Amino acid sequence: GDSVTQMEGPVTLSEEAFLTINCTYTATGYPSLFWYVQYPGEGLQLLLKATKADDKGSNKGFEATYRKETTSFHLEKGSVQVSDSAVYFCALVSAGTALIFGKGTTLSVSS
Amino acid sequence: GAVVSQHPSRVICKSGTSVKIECRSLDFQATTMFWYRQFPKKSLMLMATSNEGSKATYEQGVEKDKFLINHASLTLSTLTVTSAHPEDSSFYICSARDGSVNTEAFFGQGTRLTVV
Repeated sequence: GDSVTQMEGPVTLSEEAFLTINCTYTATGYPSLFWYVQYPGEGLQLLLKATKADDKGSNKGFEATYRKETTSFHLEKGSVQVSDSAVYFCALVSAGTALIFGKGTTLSVSS
Repeated sequence: GAVVSQHPSRVICKSGTSVKIECRSLDFQATTMFWYRQFPKKSLMLMATSNEGSKATYEQGVEKDKFLINHASLTLSTLTVTSAHPEDSSFYICSARDGSVNTEAFFGQGTRLTVV
């Protein structure tokens, strides 16, 4: 079945460092891809999405490009802030099914 | 964006009692709602999918008699944890999909259930 694999972490960075969180997927159809963020004690918030190959999702300085050839959707940010500390989930959905999530990557940014 | 409200955000109950968690879509009609359970190591497990007016579809290994899901209207789904035990303590998150959009789902704030 469909699945999402993302780097385990935790990822620990200093403020203003460059961030990459890897995400690859397996899907039989043509899924839409998402990154969700979860702050401590809260639910999930959509960070960005891409619905077809070569689409780039972006929000709050974060970007991810839907790469069909490598089945990847890596999350990047050029300069992280302490407020970006959270858990990040890569997810996919296809054919109207429920979202399938990766296991989440904890990001910790120190000043 | 679309808003999903989940209530309560935290609940503590005694073993053997039942707890109801509500999930409401505030500004859109949710033809499909999903219930997830999040374990301490972060992973989200899909428990069930509910469509308005029909019985929920449970994932393998989820006890349907223990986790009762009702989706009586296009804006409300409820999850009732019956005869709760300490091992049911977890973070439960609902998600709703706008019927007019085939992909994106919106999440509630989550409910931290502690069974003592």
